[in-house]
Parts: sequence; structure tokens; C-alpha cells
Amino acid sequence: AQKVTQAQTEISVVEKEDVTLDCVYETRDTTYYLFWYKQPPSGELVFLIRRNSFDEQNEISGRYSWNFQKSTSSFNFTITASQVVDSAVYFCALGGGLLTGGGNKLTFGTGTQLKVEL
Amino acid sequence: DADVTQTPRNRITKTGKRIMLECSQTKGHDRMYWYRQDPGLGLRLIYYSFDVKDINKGEISDGYSVSRQAQAKFSLSLESAIPNQTALYFCATRNSGGTYNEQFFGPGTRLTVL
Repeated sequence: AQKVTQAQTEISVVEKEDVTLDCVYETRDTTYYLFWYKQPPSGELVFLIRRNSFDEQNEISGRYSWNFQKSTSSFNFTITASQVVDSAVYFCALGGGLLTGGGNKLTFGTGTQLKVEL
Repeated sequence: DADVTQTPRNRITKTGKRIMLECSQTKGHDRMYWYRQDPGLGLRLIYYSFDVKDINKGEISDGYSVSRQAQAKFSLSLESAIPNQTALYFCATRNSGGTYNEQFFGPGTRLTVL
């Protein structure tokens, strides 16, 4: 079975602080994909990044960066110099594995609520 | 214009009523999904469809049914709504071609069953 754990239920930081959101996953598949989505207070789900299991290079996009470590089954998300607009719920998700879910099941973590205050 | 739309955006209904939530997409994707989101539980898959003639149950399909009327339309029905079906419902689409692509989500429908 697939499982995604986001142990941090809620994180509060002051603007301009760096913050890391943790994501740990479990899967029997050797090929799989990991995703991060952002859910701002307005409620929609915004796709942030996709990473396949063969690509362990870290990725940076502006103030966002992702650290994928297959050895520890983790795909952590760091926001540098956080801003109030970063306040949202962030979901990590796992999918694309053929052994679990026929390649169509996207398993979500329970989300981390990030609050960035002035 | 939004690529994935959901109607209604908000709905309040009573126990026992039949409810239909509709989803339309202009992305041309073949695969469509219905999820529900509950506080502290993340998103859970209700049903998914590979194409018009291929419907599959997700992890929490009991109490729900779906209809894929066309490639662009995927409806979710609650035949007899109950209070524990109060949740935020999301429709999503995905293109099956090429690598395993991300799912794109609609804006959500907030359903309250009294």
C-alpha cells in the first residue's frame, strides 16, 4: 500500500524566515512520482512540482526548493524568505506506481497548514 | 477561463436528498477523478474514469455514483445524502499520454448535508 506522511500539522513562522515542510512516503513501487500542491485560503489546489523516482536532483524555483532523498523516502519542500502570501495548506502526494493503484491512484498526505505572520 | 470547472460551488442540502455535482474540463484530458477533502484527512479518491466507458471505484466509493457523459464531463451523485458526506469535493483531470503527469484540480464544491 502507498502512504504519505506529513507529520507537521501546522507551522507558524514570521515573514522572511525560511521554512521546511516535511514529506515521508511509503511505496512498493520502484518507479513512482511525487507531487506538491498548494491550497491557499480560497480553497483551490495549485500544482507546484512533480518529481519522478529516478531523478534525485534537487530543484529550485524562485523561493521554493525541493529536496528528494530516495534513501530516506523523503521529499521535503523549503520556502526561503517566506511571505504572507505563502500562507496555505500544502499537500504532498504520491502516484504513478504500477504495483499500487494501477498507476492512477494519487495518495495524498494530510497536509501542513503554513501560517506566515508579519 | 478556468480549465476545470465545477458546479455548484456551494450547496446546502438535507439528509435523504439526491445531489449531483458536475465537472467540466476544456483541457482535453482523458482521465477524470473525484475526490473529497475532510479536515485532517487530506484528499481521498471516490471514483475515477479513464474514458467515457471506463469507470473505476476509488477508496471511498460507497454512497456515491458517477457518470461520464462525455470526455469533458464527469458527474458525481449522492443518491441519498447523509451528514457525514459534508465535505469539500474536488474534480481533477489528467492527461495519460507520455510520462505520469500531474492532476489538475477544479475549484471545489463545498457540500453541507444537514
